[in-house]
Amino acid sequence: AQTVTQSQPEMSVQEAETVTLSCTYDTSENNYYLFWYKQPPSRQMILVIRQEAYKQQNATENRFSVNFQKAAKSFSLKISDSQLGDTAMYFCAFMKAGTPLVFGKGTRLSVIA
Amino acid sequence: DAGVTQSPTHLIKTRGQHVTLRCSPISGHKSVSWYQQVLGQGPQFIFQYYEKEERGRGNFPDRFSARQFPNYSSELNVNALLLGDSALYLCASSLYRRGGNYEQYFGPGTRLTVT
Repeated sequence: AQTVTQSQPEMSVQEAETVTLSCTYDTSENNYYLFWYKQPPSRQMILVIRQEAYKQQNATENRFSVNFQKAAKSFSLKISDSQLGDTAMYFCAFMKAGTPLVFGKGTRLSVIA
Repeated sequence: DAGVTQSPTHLIKTRGQHVTLRCSPISGHKSVSWYQQVLGQGPQFIFQYYEKEERGRGNFPDRFSARQFPNYSSELNVNALLLGDSALYLCASSLYRRGGNYEQYFGPGTRLTVT
């Protein structure tokens, strides 16, 4: 079974600074998808960014980018120019085609003014 | 376009009672998945439905059941509620592309409290 590990339960960052959230996963699959979801205090889970394992290029969505290291089974999220609205729980998730999402336990990020 | 909607928002039930949670997917999405999120944890998969058929089930007891309707909306039912069923129940919809569902979009959730 696949597992996802987020080793940082809590992190904080100053507004306008850059922060990196870590995620590692365990799988024997070769084709799969990785996601970062954001869950603000209002609790709606929002998709931040996705990465297909067969793509070598790291995904980027505006201020959010990932560092995908397939051999190391690592999938970190970098948030640049952090904003107060980035304060939330961030979940890393793994999905093999045809199976449901497997989530990590999350990292609580606080952006400080 | 409307996102995934869920009802009710909050629910308080007593041990032993039954509860029904409802979900309407994004227009055009034919797959609905249910997740349970206990406080301080990541969501755990309960069920996935596509075209009214169950396509996957997580490690939950038979007290949990679900169904999908012709309009692709879905219900999650939980019988004989236990205190441990207290959680945020999330519904997610997706297009279910060939080879498996792809991006999942979540609703706001239903907060269930069992007393």
